[in-house]
Parts: sequence; C-alpha cells; structure tokens
Amino acid sequence: SQQGEEDPQALSIQEGENATMNCSYKTSINNLQWYRQNSGRGLVHLILIRSNEREKHSGRLRVTLDTSKKSSSLLITASRAADTASYFCATGEGTSYGKLTFGQGTILTVHP
Amino acid sequence: NAGVTQTPKFQVLKTGQSMTLQCAQDMNHEYMSWYRQDPGMGLRLIHYSVGAGITDQGEVPNGYNVSRSTTEDFPLRLLSAAPSQTSVYFCASSYRTVFSYEQYFGPGTRLTVT
Repeated sequence: SQQGEEDPQALSIQEGENATMNCSYKTSINNLQWYRQNSGRGLVHLILIRSNEREKHSGRLRVTLDTSKKSSSLLITASRAADTASYFCATGEGTSYGKLTFGQGTILTVHP
Repeated sequence: NAGVTQTPKFQVLKTGQSMTLQCAQDMNHEYMSWYRQDPGMGLRLIHYSVGAGITDQGEVPNGYNVSRSTTEDFPLRLLSAAPSQTSVYFCASSYRTVFSYEQYFGPGTRLTVT
C-alpha cells in the first residue's frame, strides 16, 4: 500500500513563483526523501531529511518534516520552467535496509 | 560510472509470453529493487534484494520472479505476461544501511502486453 499521500495532485504556477508540495505518511519513519521525475525519465533524488531533523535546504529547495503530524513539505523557490516535473516523496521505515515506499506524486507545471 | 542501466527500453509482448528485464549497476550497491509505475499510482515495489543471493517480495510480486547471483545484476522475469503487466518498470539501487540512502534509478523499460 502507498505510504505517502501527496497534495496537491497537480500544481500550475508562473515562473518566479514558489511551489509548495505536501506529503503525509502513516507509519513511523527513519527518513523521508523527495524525488523528481521528468516526463518519460527515471526518478532523480533531490533531498533526504532524517527523522530527527526538522528542516533542510539544498539550493532552491527547502524541506520540512513534522513527525508529530507525519507530514513533510517541499518548497521550490523562484521556480523555473525547467522545474516542470512530477515530484514524489518516499519514506524509509525502521530497519528498512534501503527499502522505500513512494507516494503518488505531485505534477508541477511552471509556465514561462 | 554508467550508474543503473536497464534493457530493453521498450518491449511489446503477447499474452502468455515470458521475458526478462535486465538491470545492472556499477556502483557496488548492496540494495537493488524493481518498481512498476502506472498512471496515477506512483511507484509500487515489486521485488527487492539486500545483497547477492538475498531477495524478497515487495508490494506487488505476483507474476514476477527475481534472482541476484551477483552484486551488479538484478534481472526481473515475467513468467507469463498478462495485459495487467503493461507498465513502466524501473530498477533502482542504493547502499544498504539501517537508514535508507538515496536511490539511483535506471531510465526505465516501457512494457506493453497485448
């Protein structure tokens, strides 16, 4: 079963605006990761946040994690047309030894 | 490094045929996995392996077999293809630790079963 549920399912914005995607999950985790998938391609890892971290930054990406609410958000600042893609959250649980459970994804469209 | 490679890129099968999707990685990763991606469903785990000789089932294993004889290769076998197996298949690999690390994905195999 899907661990993560992402919201919104689709997001359409203009270049330069910020994009926020949310992910909720059900069980306890040891880390949460975000991936990007361009149309017709494989997934690319963006950022990983561990369960004892609350916020993490990487370039224009900001990820927050609230383990009490079992939720995470991905913020992309100053979006570009090249950010158009599907974004997935994935969770690692307990002694998962690499195993991840993916959400259904958010489709982001950035209009030039 | 080539990373994770998958062959073929595209495949059309008739119902009942069998085939093997190939996956290889050159990063010495212990953990490898197979996912299928269907529209609106995200990625669902089919089978995974935490090292050579060790495999286990994921969320949707029925109709698929795997083996892991080497660290580098993790082939996925479709025993008797069915239209419900029409999907895009991704192989991924990562280091194996108690805490998950980032997974590296192959480019995918688009399979159509008629």
